[in-house]
Order: sequence, then C-alpha cells, then structure tokens
Amino acid sequence: EVQVLESGGGLVQPGGSLRLSCAASGFSFSGYAMNWVRQAPGKGLEWVSGITGDSTTIYYADSVKGRFTISRDNSKNTLYLQMNSLRAEDTAVYYCAKRGTYYKDGSNYYYNFDYWGLGTLVTVSS
Amino acid sequence: EIVMMQSPASLSVSPGERATLSCRASQSVSSNLAWYQQKRGQAPRLLIYGASTRATGIPVRFSGSGSGTDFTLTISSLQSEDFAVYYCQQYKSGGTFGQGTKLEIK
Repeated sequence: EVQVLESGGGLVQPGGSLRLSCAASGFSFSGYAMNWVRQAPGKGLEWVSGITGDSTTIYYADSVKGRFTISRDNSKNTLYLQMNSLRAEDTAVYYCAKRGTYYKDGSNYYYNFDYWGLGTLVTVSS
Repeated sequence: EIVMMQSPASLSVSPGERATLSCRASQSVSSNLAWYQQKRGQAPRLLIYGASTRATGIPVRFSGSGSGTDFTLTISSLQSEDFAVYYCQQYKSGGTFGQGTKLEIK
C-alpha cells in the first residue's frame, strides 16, 4: 500500500525557516517524481515544487523560487522541503504528493498526483 | 501561466441525481487534465487523469470528458459520500488548479 506521511510543520515567525519531511513507502521511491502542494486556510490548491526521481530536475512555483529548496534522499525514501524567508502568505497545509502520469514537453515534465499525504500545517505569524 | 476556471463555484444536488461540473483552461491543455475530490479535513484524491481515465478504485459513476480548453466531470448518481469539493488541474505546462466547485446536498 502506498503511503506518504509529512512532518515538520509548525508556527514560525516571518522571515524564519522550517524544514518539512515526507516519508514514503509502498512503492519504488527512487523511480517517481515527488511534489509539494499547499493549501492556504479555506483556499484552493497550489503546486509548490517538484523533483524527479534521480533529483536531476527540480521545479518551483514562482511564488517560492529563491526561498524554498526541495530535495530527496532515496536511501531513506524521504522527500524534503527547506523553507526560508517565510512570509505570512506561506501559511498553509503542505501536502506531499507522488506523481501519477505526466506530460513531457521537451526536457520538462508536468505531473498529476495520484497519492497524497495528510498534510502538515505551516503557520507564519508573529 | 495557464489559468483554470471552474464553474459553478457551488452546486446543490439531491442524492441519486446527476451532477455536472465544468472546468475551462485559458489555453489548450490537450487532454492533460486531472480531477480531484477533497472532503473536509482530508487530502485530495485523484479521480480522473488524461481528461477521461478513471484512477485506480474510482467508481464508474465518475466520468470525465473534454479536450483542449473545455472539460466536464459528471457524477451519474450522487451518493452521500460524493458531497465534497472538486478541483481540476492541468499538467500541460506547470500544474495549475482551478479554484474548486463545492458539491452540496440539496
């Protein structure tokens, strides 16, 4: 059974940092791109970042580029999101999501998401 | 950026009736369109990908159609567990989501 479980959320002051983790099981982790998707309170879904299985290609939404860093450790079946220079608008539930099928455009891949974790809440507030 | 627009924002339907939800893209996404269901306090669940292919374990009452810019999710006979928020997502360029349609019990 595929499972993904996020951790590391919490309350942080504006300008602060936080590192999220996502532990995966039930599938060949290194063979799949993984992503972070967030949802602000009462709002819709926003894709944040993605990383291919071999970490050779990484994608970021413009809203987090330069502040967030995605990475993975395939030996630990774990995905990470390092979040720096946090802002109030980063407040959200952060979901870890396994890529489903994809569309290939040149060297870029774009994904849908077939398995999601329960999410971890990040609150940026003074 | 491709913008996804869903309509209506909310929809009231009686159990056993059909529900039709719409999603429109600001430019063609071909068939690179997915639908998700999200119940309160839960993670989203993939229902449909490739505009019309049901994901693993999804009941046949859920069907997707469309290509290019206009897409539809149809739930043929609503069950109590289907009342939730539904999102479309394009994955032709980036991964933008629609703002969601809330399906409520009438």
